[in-house]
Amino acid sequence: RKEVEQDPGPFNVPEGATVAFNCTYSNSASQSFFWYRQDCRKEPKLLMSVYSSGNEDGRFTAQLNRASQYISLLIRDSKLSDSATYLCVVTSFNKFYFGSGTKLNVKP
Amino acid sequence: GAGVSQSPSNKVTEKGKDVELRCDPISGHTALYWYRQSLGQGLEFLIYFQGNSAPDKSGLPSDRFSAERTGGSVSTLTIQRTQQEDSAVYLCASTEISGNTIYFGEGSWLTVV
Repeated sequence: RKEVEQDPGPFNVPEGATVAFNCTYSNSASQSFFWYRQDCRKEPKLLMSVYSSGNEDGRFTAQLNRASQYISLLIRDSKLSDSATYLCVVTSFNKFYFGSGTKLNVKP
Repeated sequence: GAGVSQSPSNKVTEKGKDVELRCDPISGHTALYWYRQSLGQGLEFLIYFQGNSAPDKSGLPSDRFSAERTGGSVSTLTIQRTQQEDSAVYLCASTEISGNTIYFGEGSWLTVV
């Protein structure tokens, strides 16, 4: 079983839509959680950290559910520029485990 | 430097040749990671350094792959006798404290012909 699992998508949504991604992780001892964004042929970049209390950054909201071992990302009022692959990242014992990513296409 | 720096950014090499890929992490970052990503695929962990030692090299795909880090800074990933399946982008990343936010370089795009 993979350490981190994500629905690969693609999620095709119109501009202005709200879209949510989930990610599950297998190691209950995982310590830190992040969402990264990766544009085509570019390196992954940090989108936001994820905390148990939930955190919001503008149109983006991330949640962590330790009991069920899943992480979510909610994007409100989608923009064309949000089109990218979103990677769920979990750390455990100094290693970073990356999901294979969820592809989002925002259409005009 | 301001970010993780990798060189070369692009490399085309003939099958059977050796290649060296270099990574210069963010100044002060003690942990350094190498990943590989084939086109359209996820990130594949290769090796992790804490200082100059590599506590986890479990991801290196074969004995043709090796890496070292000197002075707690620059790292070199060496691929010997390259094969076509080695074609990928090789991403280096660093973090100040293991488990903290990880920052990536722009990658070295390797094509083996």
